[in-house]
Amino acid sequence: GAVVSQHPSWVICKSGTSVKIECRSLDFQATTMFWYRQFPKQSLMLMATSNEGSKATYEQGVEKDKFLINHASLTLSTLTVTSAHPEDSSFYICSARGPSGRGAGELFFGEGSRLTVL
Amino acid sequence: DAKTTQPTSMDCAEGRAANLPCNHSTISGNEYVYWYRQIHSQGPQYIIHGLKNNETNEMASLIITEDRKSSTLILPHATLRDTAVYYCIVRVGNQGGKLIFGQGTELSVKP
Repeated sequence: GAVVSQHPSWVICKSGTSVKIECRSLDFQATTMFWYRQFPKQSLMLMATSNEGSKATYEQGVEKDKFLINHASLTLSTLTVTSAHPEDSSFYICSARGPSGRGAGELFFGEGSRLTVL
Repeated sequence: DAKTTQPTSMDCAEGRAANLPCNHSTISGNEYVYWYRQIHSQGPQYIIHGLKNNETNEMASLIITEDRKSSTLILPHATLRDTAVYYCIVRVGNQGGKLIFGQGTELSVKP
């Protein structure tokens, strides 16, 4: 199946610094990617939709200046958590719609990136 | 997108069939039923999806009632590695592509 990879898998940073997480579609092109956040014992929460070559669309309540999303190519989207604080510590997961022909738009998810802000 | 209701948790004996129910009574005619699962600390994994007809693949079977207001995911021979949170999601198949996750069912497969 289609493979989506995230990097880094985990990261620890100091409060006030910025952290970039990459999401790559390895064997297909993805014009649209999605970023989710998941706190312990909770479900995934959609943060934003990342569109190649245009601005991301953020879900209500998600600060676009806090979570910068860039989708510069058909295989790479990045999420930058700016001025991170401990409450930003979470599991960040990206996904991409599979290549055409797979039917009804199933999404493939990355392995997730665990961010811990000290 | 229609909302889904799933039991919070279920247990299943290893080797037995796991039947995970999902209610989606407000589903629209153009909405598909998707199932994903998430093993602890990993990204979700696609399992199966359907519109009206029952579906089967190498992982599972999906049974959708005739009125489409509910469905059941069946893992025919559950193994310990099937322990995960299972999410039932309904959405318009080709609209935007985003998936909105509910709370899911935490399935524990026990030896």
